[in-house]
Amino acid sequence: DTAVSQTPKYLVTQMGNDKSIKCEQNLGHDTMYWYKQDSKKFLKIMFSYNNKELIINETVPNRFSPKSPDKAHLNLHINSLELGDSAVYFCASSRLTGELFFGEGSRLTVL
Amino acid sequence: KQEVTQIPAALSVPEGENLVLNCSFTDSAIYNLQWFRQDPGKGLTSLLLIQSSQREQTSGRLNASLDKSSGRSTLYIAASQPGDSATYLCAVLSGNTGKLIFGQGTTLQVKP
Repeated sequence: DTAVSQTPKYLVTQMGNDKSIKCEQNLGHDTMYWYKQDSKKFLKIMFSYNNKELIINETVPNRFSPKSPDKAHLNLHINSLELGDSAVYFCASSRLTGELFFGEGSRLTVL
Repeated sequence: KQEVTQIPAALSVPEGENLVLNCSFTDSAIYNLQWFRQDPGKGLTSLLLIQSSQREQTSGRLNASLDKSSGRSTLYIAASQPGDSATYLCAVLSGNTGKLIFGQGTTLQVKP
């Protein structure tokens, strides 16, 4: 009965590959997010969707493409992976101005 | 541009001490402020959420205060325990951009 679940938890891949991370929330929230936590543990927002519509798109390379098939899901697809993409990616959800709930994170390592 | 700063970056205390973690933000136009806890290799757990109209929130041994005019929040932990050891993150939901902006966290170690 996990509130925000993301898969996979760990992902190790070669430079140049394409990979996806999936996120699902069962809290009935309208808004979902992707955050990136770098090696210095700093969390930075990448994208935010409200009711399947993109509302925040930070300065993220266009190799990163979020997709929200419905308001309970927000997936992140990354093309042509680079070494600098190695990080922990967190999915979160909330009501629009409410409390955020985070998933456990997906640790991406690009070799 | 909203910036969130947490001081200190790291803190080590003996068990049983009361302690205060500090968070400051540069833009007072916020919807809310949220304190999170992150254990090593884990996700973030929400501890307390303070709406912009509120001054404080309490949950168990935790008390968070908010002073919007001065751009400050504190997280007070009473009677600290070794299980409180974690990184504590403060985040503000910007009223202008709708973005949740995080501080860099305070890593707390409570020694038995």
